[in-house]
Amino acid sequence: TQLLEQSPQFLSIQEGENLTVYCNSSSVFSSLQWYRQEPGEGPVLLVTVVTGGEVKKLKRLTFQFGDARKDSSLHITAAQPGDTGLYLCAGVSGSGYALNFGKGTSLLVTP
Amino acid sequence: NAGVTQTPKFRILKIGQSMTLQCAQDMNHNYMYWYRQDPGMGLKLIYYSVGAGITDKGEVPNGYNVSRSTTEDFPLRLELAAPSQTSVYFCASSYSEGREQYFGPGTRLTVT
Repeated sequence: TQLLEQSPQFLSIQEGENLTVYCNSSSVFSSLQWYRQEPGEGPVLLVTVVTGGEVKKLKRLTFQFGDARKDSSLHITAAQPGDTGLYLCAGVSGSGYALNFGKGTSLLVTP
Repeated sequence: NAGVTQTPKFRILKIGQSMTLQCAQDMNHNYMYWYRQDPGMGLKLIYYSVGAGITDKGEVPNGYNVSRSTTEDFPLRLELAAPSQTSVYFCASSYSEGREQYFGPGTRLTVT
């Protein structure tokens, strides 16, 4: 199993602040996905990054895939309470059948 | 489209009992997966299937069994439930390998 380390594990911020969460591995992934999971629900895909150095934006969320395709970051600008949730990164290895999930970053945004 | 549905939503089992967690998808996806999620531990793959009649073990298969007789359904069977199987179970499906996975709402299982 190729390990994905996510940091920080927990993050509590106030509305309007910016934040960055990280997803790191010693392994190369063919692609990396970011999911958000709200309490009592299953994860929902936010974005997939495929190319090393790729940057994707989803409204206030900016995702970056490392040049070597071993790491990724998620930056949220002006966080809102609706951003609260568990953010999971998941990597696709060469075999491709299953996703390797990180343990997640639990984000709480308070008004 | 209902997407991925799971039943039941909650269940309490006594040690040694058995049960089946149901999962169905209406997206005609060939790939289906079962994960368990424990607090602070992320998602661990239990079993997966790449099509009807084809299943394979994931990272944590012990104590579980699966079958895939149709494209739509992928039930997970727990035999002789143990406290270590207390967890939230998620079923997911995808169009193909490595593509976006669609998750069900989960089943919260407690074994006492």
